[in-house]
Amino acid sequence: GENVEQHPSTLSVQEGDSAVIKCTYSDSASNYFPWYKQELGKRPQLIIDIRSNVGEKKDQRIAVTLNKTAKHFSLHITETQPEDSAVYFCAATYSGTYKYIFGTGTRLKVLA
Amino acid sequence: DAGVTQSPTHLIKTRGQQVTLRCSPKSGHDTVSWYQQALGQGPQFIFQYYEEEERQRGNFPDRFSGHQFPNYSSELNVNALLLGDSALYLCASSLLVSLAKNIQYFGAGTRLSVL
Repeated sequence: GENVEQHPSTLSVQEGDSAVIKCTYSDSASNYFPWYKQELGKRPQLIIDIRSNVGEKKDQRIAVTLNKTAKHFSLHITETQPEDSAVYFCAATYSGTYKYIFGTGTRLKVLA
Repeated sequence: DAGVTQSPTHLIKTRGQQVTLRCSPKSGHDTVSWYQQALGQGPQFIFQYYEEEERQRGNFPDRFSGHQFPNYSSELNVNALLLGDSALYLCASSLLVSLAKNIQYFGAGTRLSVL
């Protein structure tokens, strides 16, 4: 069935270091991969997304890479700051549906 | 431009009771999806409404039902509540004509506690 695995479940980094979160999806029809940041008690906020016709996308300190062959996609955060601390979720879906399959989340702690 | 709004923000119920959660989509959006987020887990898709009809459904029992109104707002109803229904319920809205883009906007959720 449809599944998205996300690793690690928790990640602690020193301020200024990089953080990488990895996801693997099972449905080869998936062609849209958003990443959400969820702070405690707040709504999930879309931070970056990528479509299957692109291998990499960057937005300032955040980047996402996609390997369609391996069905892997990753979130990269460079020069981490304390305000990056939150839970990050990856998701996968495909054109024609709004049904997102979410990963289980990664709790990122940026230590000052 | 108001985003996705949900009410109430918190709710406490006892086992066996029924609950109704409400969602108003982002202005201009016509499709509403509901997700259940258990503590420490990612959101799980419950169902999606468009033109007042359930368009797609996840693996949830019939105790979970919904409705969409002509103004595109939506309700999620859960009957015969179980302890395991305790979770954050998220509503997400989108625009069907942009289906190829898949982008959804989430509300802040309703936290339901079943005692």
